[in-house]
Amino acid sequence: SQELEQSPQSLIVQEGKNLTINCTSSKTLYGLYWYKQKYGEGLIFLMMLQKGGEEKSHEKITAKLDEKKQQSSLHITASQPSHAGIYLCGADPESGTYKYIFGTGTRLKVLA
Amino acid sequence: ETGVTQTPRHLVMGMTNKKSLKCEQHLGHNAMYWYKQSAKKPLELMFVYSLEERVENNSVPSRFSPECPNSSHLFLHLHTLQPEDSALYLCASSQGLAGLSNYGYTFGSGTRLTVV
Repeated sequence: SQELEQSPQSLIVQEGKNLTINCTSSKTLYGLYWYKQKYGEGLIFLMMLQKGGEEKSHEKITAKLDEKKQQSSLHITASQPSHAGIYLCGADPESGTYKYIFGTGTRLKVLA
Repeated sequence: ETGVTQTPRHLVMGMTNKKSLKCEQHLGHNAMYWYKQSAKKPLELMFVYSLEERVENNSVPSRFSPECPNSSHLFLHLHTLQPEDSALYLCASSQGLAGLSNYGYTFGSGTRLTVV
């Protein structure tokens, strides 16, 4: 079955540093979502990418989907303690299905 | 507040108990979902309801029993659970079942379940 692999699994950065989180699939994706989760809480939707090469930004967070639609990267510029949490990618593995799959998450800690 | 409310936030239950988790959404969505999140595992889709009808039962043991009395409410009834069922149970909703949405799913804050 298709899986989403996230890297790194965890990340500790100093406040103000840039960082990148990757999400890789073995098969073409029909949609890629990024969510943020605070520890022990629900997921907050960040952005959705659909087209190969598409790039979206929300405040200091930028996400891009590669041309082949098999990998996405999430980039945070000038990280802040408020960026700490777990970042999860989720994807629609088949066109028009609700059976979204999710990665295992990347745990981010930002040191003040 | 995301518009999806889950209660209780925390639950400790014995293996012989019967309890229920509740999810309520105020977004006018017509699809609701139960997910299980265990440590170091991807979110697992458990059940999907669309227009109050169950459209997915993802090989979930019968000790988990969902109920969707209307499009705003979703329950997960629990009985004779096992310690390995301890996890964060997340409810989500969406407008429409299939296809891509610019807004993704809207998740509740989850119920942290501990089975002792």
